[in-house]
Amino acid sequence: EVVLTQSPATLSLSPGEEVTLSCRASQSIRSNLAWYQQISGQPPRLLILGAFTRATGIPARFSGSGSGTEFTLTISSLQSEDFAVYYCQQYDSWPPGTFGQGTKLEI
Amino acid sequence: VQLVESGGGLVKPGESLRLSCVASGFTFKDYYMTWIRQAPGKGLESISYISFGSRDINYADSVRGRFTISRDDTNNTLFLQMDSLTVEDTGVYYCARDGWGVKDYWGQGTRVTVSS
Repeated sequence: EVVLTQSPATLSLSPGEEVTLSCRASQSIRSNLAWYQQISGQPPRLLILGAFTRATGIPARFSGSGSGTEFTLTISSLQSEDFAVYYCQQYDSWPPGTFGQGTKLEI
Repeated sequence: VQLVESGGGLVKPGESLRLSCVASGFTFKDYYMTWIRQAPGKGLESISYISFGSRDINYADSVRGRFTISRDDTNNTLFLQMDSLTVEDTGVYYCARDGWGVKDYWGQGTRVTVSS
């Protein structure tokens, strides 16, 4: 099973700052990685697929990069609505695919 | 695209629940569908998926033998029959459309609480 490790577990930042979240895979997953955002009390929302492709309607301040085992999600100029938990998910070994444990962005 | 779950509630250990997820806005029969759960304060766990045509079905080890996934393509509905529930099954259960691994649409979730 592919294990995804996200770091850090929690980040404290201020609106307007830029942040980079990390997701590391235990083996190569090529570019088969998605990122999801979960705002408290809401279901997750797809942000990025294929490691760097923004999903429909996702603002350009969200960008993904990486391939193989190392991936990042960058959010430029944090907005108040961006403070949430972010999960990476691999689908190279799919079904079912596996999720990372999440990174919480807090103000 | 809309996914609407129902069927959650409060049950005692050992009891059963049947979750439903009604889909609309897309050709339901053409997609894999997945149930994902989230224990209180925890992360996301894919617990079961079903392929188009129901040929491919699988479960996480944590629910295998107790949960059964199924679908009704005529009525665009996904089901999860949950038997022998334990306190560890407590959480929010989401159905998600599975686009070749990418969970591109999610329902709002239905809450399951197992407690004596």
